[in-house]
Amino acid sequence: QAQLVQSGGEVKKPGASVKVSCRTSGYTFTNYGVSWLRQAPGQGLEWVGWISAYNGHTNYAQRFQGRVTLTTDRSTTTAYMEVRSLTPDDTAVYYCARDRRDVLAGYTCDFWGQGTLVTVSS
Amino acid sequence: DVVMTQSPLSLPVTLGQPASISCKSSQGLVFIDGSTYLSWFQQRPGQSPRRLIYKVSIRDSGVPDRFSGSGSRTDFTLKISRVEAEDVGVYYCMQGTHGPTFGQGTRLEIK
Repeated sequence: QAQLVQSGGEVKKPGASVKVSCRTSGYTFTNYGVSWLRQAPGQGLEWVGWISAYNGHTNYAQRFQGRVTLTTDRSTTTAYMEVRSLTPDDTAVYYCARDRRDVLAGYTCDFWGQGTLVTVSS
Repeated sequence: DVVMTQSPLSLPVTLGQPASISCKSSQGLVFIDGSTYLSWFQQRPGQSPRRLIYKVSIRDSGVPDRFSGSGSRTDFTLKISRVEAEDVGVYYCMQGTHGPTFGQGTRLEIK
C-alpha cells in the first residue's frame, strides 16, 4: 500500500520561503507522479501543481506559476514543494498525493500524505 | 478553470437512511484517453482526504459498497445507500481531466 509521509509544520514570516517534503514508500516511485494541494483553515481543497516522478514534467495551477517549484529525488523517493514570497494568505495545510505518471492520463490523487501546516505570520 | 458546483452544501441525514450529493461541472470531463476523470473524496474531521470513487463510478479498494458514483459529461452523483455514523465528514468531487478543481464540499452530519 502506498504511503506518503510529509515533513512537520512550519512557521514563516511574510516574504520568506518554505520547502515541504513528501517521502513515499510502498510503490514504484517512477511509475507515478505527485500532486500538491492545499487547504486553508476551514476552507476547501485547492490544487497547487503536479510533477511526474517518471520524467520530471510539471504542471502548475496558474495562480502559483512562478512562485512554486516542485522537484523529486529518485534516490530517496521523495517529492518536494517550495513556495516563495509567502503571504498570510498562504497559511494552509499542504498535502501531497500520489497521482498520474504522465500527461497521457488525467489526475487522480489516490493516496494522500498526512498534511503539513504552514503558518505565515509576522 | 473548470468550475465544480456541489449541492447541497449541508446534508443532515438520519442513520440508516440514504444520502445523495450532486456535482456539476462547467465543462465536459472526457479526457483524450476516453475516460472521465471525476473522483469523490471523503474528509473526516481532522484527517486527510481519502479517495472513495474514481472515473465516475469505480470504488477504491476498501470502500464500502454502500458508496456509489454515477453520471456523465457534466452531471455526477455520489450516493450512500444507508448512512452510518462513520460517514460523517465533508465530501468533495474533483475533476482531473483539466487542471484539477474541486467542488466546495458537502458537509454530511447525522440528524
